[in-house]
Amino acid sequence: DTGVSQDPRHKITKRGQNVTFRCDPISEHNRLYWYRQTLGQGPEFLTYFQNEAQLEKSRLLSDRFSAERPKGSFSTLEIQRTEQGDSAMYLCASSSSSRPRDRGYGYTFGSGTRLTVV
Amino acid sequence: RKEVEQDPGPFNVPEGATVAFNCTYSNSASQSFFWYRQDCRKEPKLLMSVYSSGNEDGRFTAQLNRASQYISLLIRDSKLSDSATYLCVFVSSGGSYIPTFGRGTSLIVHP
Repeated sequence: DTGVSQDPRHKITKRGQNVTFRCDPISEHNRLYWYRQTLGQGPEFLTYFQNEAQLEKSRLLSDRFSAERPKGSFSTLEIQRTEQGDSAMYLCASSSSSRPRDRGYGYTFGSGTRLTVV
Repeated sequence: RKEVEQDPGPFNVPEGATVAFNCTYSNSASQSFFWYRQDCRKEPKLLMSVYSSGNEDGRFTAQLNRASQYISLLIRDSKLSDSATYLCVFVSSGGSYIPTFGRGTSLIVHP
């Protein structure tokens, strides 16, 4: 298992374009999380899946943001009509409900996708 | 009041120094606590869990004070390689297991 993979690593887009990011979690992890991180801040929670069910999406930043996990494996995060304020690092993490607390529930982050909107 | 508050620093210390960070949280339903380390332009990685009785992992000691709603991280004998941002994290009870991160405290260890 190679950990959590995110693609692309970097994305530069023009304002108004749509972008989609992909996250492949650790294969045995049933939970998947998306975060956004801007410079000097900690990761900010966006949304969360357990298997294919999106259990929390109220913290998606606007209706331009949406996420899917159609088969309970990989997930995509889409931002429509990008704005300069969307420039940030988008992090994906996965965990397993069966992992113990002392291992941090197995939360593992991917390397992130750095989005620059010009 | 923010859910998690951390002094962003930077804490600038010489090698060999002892340094401590605190993190306060406002959600009394917080159940699990962790410290993560994040190197520049890298993803956060789990450093250690935090238990009510306090716990050590080598040069690192973590403590939890539920009455005052804060956790702490103590680093002894600082190394240059300890330079990083340290993020405090809590997970609330209720089954969602969504980690909430502080903004992080920057540590710079110099020769």
